[in-house]
Amino acid sequence: AQRVTQPEKLLSVFKGAPVELKCNYSYSGSPELFWYVQYSRQRLQLLLRHISRESIKGFTADLNKGETSFHLKKPFAQEEDSAMYYCALRVSTSYGKLTFGQGTILTVHP
Amino acid sequence: KAGVTQTPRYLIKTRGQQVTLSCSPISGHRSVSWYQQTPGQGLQFLFEYFSETQRNKGNFPGRFSGRQFSNSRSEMNVSTLELGDSALYLCASSAGLAGTDTQYFGPGTRLTVL
Repeated sequence: AQRVTQPEKLLSVFKGAPVELKCNYSYSGSPELFWYVQYSRQRLQLLLRHISRESIKGFTADLNKGETSFHLKKPFAQEEDSAMYYCALRVSTSYGKLTFGQGTILTVHP
Repeated sequence: KAGVTQTPRYLIKTRGQQVTLSCSPISGHRSVSWYQQTPGQGLQFLFEYFSETQRNKGNFPGRFSGRQFSNSRSEMNVSTLELGDSALYLCASSAGLAGTDTQYFGPGTRLTVL
């Protein structure tokens, strides 16, 4: 069975500082990895996915199959980045099923 | 396009009752997935429907069931409610044609079991 681990429940940084939200997964095959974000009083929304290799709102994430990690990074955090971030995994044989990590609450202080 | 909608947004029930939650996907989407979100367990997959057929199921007891209609709208039902069923129930829709489709989430239904 697949599993996603986000080791930090809470992460606090100051505005302008770099931020890295960690995500590790366990799955023997080739999964698809995602980062979802939930801002206060808003619905869960896709931030980025590894197959698109896009940079969204300054965030990037690289899939490291050797370390089975998919860490989310941003060089200069902004106050509006404060939110709950979820790492998620999907495997092709499970169609739309997403396996989520426990989430990391990011707080960016002014 | 209108986003995923869920009704009702809030529900209060007592133990032993049953409840039905509804989800309307984005127009044209044929896949609907349901998730339970709790502070302790996080987001857990319940089931997924595609073209009125359940094609994936999570590890939840049989009290949790769902269905999908021909217009892709979906309902989930929880019978014999327990206190531990208190949670935010999210649904997500996608085109469903391939495993690479993006899933779009609704605002959720907050269920409180007293």
